[in-house]
Amino acid sequence: GIQVEQSPPDLILQEGANSTLRCNFSDSVNNLQWFHQNPWGQLINLFYIPSGTKQNGRLSATTVATERYSLLYISSSQTTDSGVYFCAVSYNQGGKLIFGQGTELSVKP
Amino acid sequence: EPEVTQTPSHQVTQMGQEVILRCVPISNHLYFYWYRQILGQKVEFLVSFYNNEISEKSEIFDDQFSVERPDGSNFTLKIRSTKLEDSAMYFCASSDPAAANYGYTFGSGTRLTVV
Repeated sequence: GIQVEQSPPDLILQEGANSTLRCNFSDSVNNLQWFHQNPWGQLINLFYIPSGTKQNGRLSATTVATERYSLLYISSSQTTDSGVYFCAVSYNQGGKLIFGQGTELSVKP
Repeated sequence: EPEVTQTPSHQVTQMGQEVILRCVPISNHLYFYWYRQILGQKVEFLVSFYNNEISEKSEIFDDQFSVERPDGSNFTLKIRSTKLEDSAMYFCASSDPAAANYGYTFGSGTRLTVV
């Protein structure tokens, strides 16, 4: 099945710094989403981005489907950005989402 | 924005007991899912449900697990005889692939603790 690899596994930043999280996947996909898992365990949908670029405030994401990777950019990080960021993909309509192992981000004041 | 609702948010149960986790998916979505996340690990797929039947299940989803859509709005996950290793966060999700910009929407989860 499809493999989803995220890097780095852990990241520590000072407040105000920028960061880039990466997601590599091993096969063609028809859906790719980025999630933020907050300290309460909730999975917050950040982007639905099977291809192209999207921006939402300080966050943006780019997926290059032909090269099988996606990037999540966080600019001017805040302590509330802390948590685990997951990339997840699916390869068929209505099919299961396959999650990566996540990147645990810690933003220090 | 439409939400997926899960109840309860926390449940503690004795080993060997049956538990039912409840979900109300987004009303016009057609696909429903259960996932679980053991503490500190990644989110794992359990089962998907479409057109009133299971469309796919993982190896985790053994005979102890079952799903049901008892009416037009609820979607439930039953664990017949809980084990300690069933302790996890359980997420319900729904999707509508026909939507122009579709994605999967997750509920807030049920944290199940088996003691």
